[in-house]
Amino acid sequence: KAGVTQTPRYLIKTRGQQVTLSCSPISGHRSVSWYQQTPGQGLQFLFEYFSETQRNKGNFPGRFSGRQFSNSRSEMNVSTLELGDSALYLCASSVRDRITDTQYFGPGTRLTVL
Amino acid sequence: GENVEQHPSTLSVQEGDSAVIKCTYSDSASNYFPWYKQELGKGPQLIIDIRSNVGEKKDQRIAVTLNKTAKHFSLHITETQPEDSAVYFCAASKGSGGYQKVTFGIGTKLQVIP
Repeated sequence: KAGVTQTPRYLIKTRGQQVTLSCSPISGHRSVSWYQQTPGQGLQFLFEYFSETQRNKGNFPGRFSGRQFSNSRSEMNVSTLELGDSALYLCASSVRDRITDTQYFGPGTRLTVL
Repeated sequence: GENVEQHPSTLSVQEGDSAVIKCTYSDSASNYFPWYKQELGKGPQLIIDIRSNVGEKKDQRIAVTLNKTAKHFSLHITETQPEDSAVYFCAASKGSGGYQKVTFGIGTKLQVIP
């Protein structure tokens, strides 16, 4: 099976702009989670989508939003970009086994805000 | 909420030596503990995981131990090789409201010196 794919791999934006990132999960996976990774904060959970519904949300401002489509592909949007939003944004998919929930990560999108 | 502490933040070992990374978690309801390896420019990749009903699991040169009473778990890498150099993340996961919540440690940068 193909792994989790994320597009684009790199983005450069300026403050105040908005950005949309895309994630295609592994075939058959219905859950998609998004994380922000920075050197100082590690992996911070943004939100999780399952069957087009947001099931869980981390402690991020409302500028961060997402959605999931019927084919399980997901997008994440950040509006009114700030310098502090510069980070690696990771998407992870899982089958949604309730006993364990192994997540498989994509390569990430490196966002730089100038 | 869950808190996962990971130590050390950096670790240098000589090739062939063993490396140990330790994590502690706060929520006794956590029942699944995966370990991820992240190489430069890539997303985290699952290397081994352990469930709360198991005390130890081994996969070739990698082993994980879990002490539920003390709420800590460790990753052991034996006969380290230069390709083991990467950032390693531990995580603790539990079911909550019908879905899993995953909390990651801050990461350990492992350097294997040839």
